[in-house]
Amino acid sequence: QSVVTQPPSVSEAPRQRVTISCSGSSSNIGNNAVSWYQQLPGKAPKLLIYYDDILPSGVSDRFSGSKSGTSASLAISGLQSEDEAGYYCVVWDDSLHAWVFGGGTKLTVL
Amino acid sequence: EVQLVESGGGLVKTGGSLRLSCVASGLSFHNAWMSWVRQPPGKGLEWVGRIKSETNGGTTDYAAPVKGRFTISRDDSKNTVSLQMDSLKTEDTAMYYCTTVQYYDFWSGLSQYFYYYMDVWGKGTTVTVS
Repeated sequence: QSVVTQPPSVSEAPRQRVTISCSGSSSNIGNNAVSWYQQLPGKAPKLLIYYDDILPSGVSDRFSGSKSGTSASLAISGLQSEDEAGYYCVVWDDSLHAWVFGGGTKLTVL
Repeated sequence: EVQLVESGGGLVKTGGSLRLSCVASGLSFHNAWMSWVRQPPGKGLEWVGRIKSETNGGTTDYAAPVKGRFTISRDDSKNTVSLQMDSLKTEDTAMYYCTTVQYYDFWSGLSQYFYYYMDVWGKGTTVTVS
């Protein structure tokens, strides 16, 4: 059981918008910034968002991040079939002195 | 372009040891912090540990499940970071990824703050313990 929790799965139709939540506590999300990663099937993870809401160069602006209190969210708009993947949040935990990943969310584009 | 290539994975018996390596290119390695992340078959990502640059002391941090059994080291002359894994358990079976650690810095008043995040990932190397 991770100290940071994500829904195991979400699904939505093409061209729609979906959000994936990441819930933590004051020792992690409440005090540190969150990163998000996309893992396509059989591939290595790829950085999507860092410092809660900053997109690295080359990442589609269909992706966006936000944070409020001890929860963070990843939103994907204009869903495409190629967005089907696993999505992970990660944050530094001050109590554990370690990075902690959420359990991951599998996105299905219907 | 930054590239990371892991090697050294394989099949090892419970209680045995294995050493993974990750060779980096396309970056100023001696300034880079590096990290290892693993993923058991069919499961989620788990952070293993990180090593800071020598400029920042070259110190290491580890996740609780591997602390005392795994050791991360670096050889800046070879652009290589290594993960020495001892006293291996079946639950260490996973794909092991090497990552760069980047930072985002900002000023608040007269103080500078740094936020670190895992940036580029290698393709991984598989470790099976049985």
